[in-house]
Amino acid sequence: DVKVTQSSRYLVKRTGEKVFLECVQDMDHENMFWYRQDPGLGLRLIYFSYDVKMKEKGDIPEGYSVSREKKERFSLILESASTNQTSMYLCASGRTGGITGELFFGEGSRLTVL
Amino acid sequence: AQTVTQSQPEMSVQEAETVTLSCTYDTSESDYYLFWYKQPPSRQMILVIRQEAYKQQNATENRFSVNFQKAAKSFSLKISDSQLGDAAMYFCAYRGYGNKLVFGAGTILRVKS
Repeated sequence: DVKVTQSSRYLVKRTGEKVFLECVQDMDHENMFWYRQDPGLGLRLIYFSYDVKMKEKGDIPEGYSVSREKKERFSLILESASTNQTSMYLCASGRTGGITGELFFGEGSRLTVL
Repeated sequence: AQTVTQSQPEMSVQEAETVTLSCTYDTSESDYYLFWYKQPPSRQMILVIRQEAYKQQNATENRFSVNFQKAAKSFSLKISDSQLGDAAMYFCAYRGYGNKLVFGAGTILRVKS
């Protein structure tokens, strides 16, 4: 089974802190994604990566950056956390094209910024 | 840009009955995938069912089936014989020529015993 693992289920940080959210997948997928989930807004794409060291902005990249130094790992970085970044963050991975087009998701990281 | 709209924030269904969740989308692409994902409370998002746009036949997975109307850009999910374990947030999603999924806002499904 595909496994996407997010390093922290729950985090509480203070305004201005630097926050790292880590995601690891074990299926050699080329593509990895970071989404943000908020009530009434569904999932919105922050950044995605289609290869090592490659990244592209999604729909809401402001205030975030990412890093992909190895194929299996994709990190989301909040350089200076703000209260409006309190949210659930979901990591996903999938093959380029692929037969099914399906993405596989981690369990999510719920971040609270005080 | 592609958009996905789920017009039902919440739905309720009695156990063993049938419920239909609605989804519409907007795209100018001719080839794409459509998905329904399920997110149980505090649990991982999982795929329920997928539909390739070039296939005219509606996808079916056990108690889950879709009504795909390509011309109308409509993609509804029907859950038959609803069970308590079906209670979750359901997301409709679109994947086109790019590799990213575009999601709707979600529908909370409550199952009453």
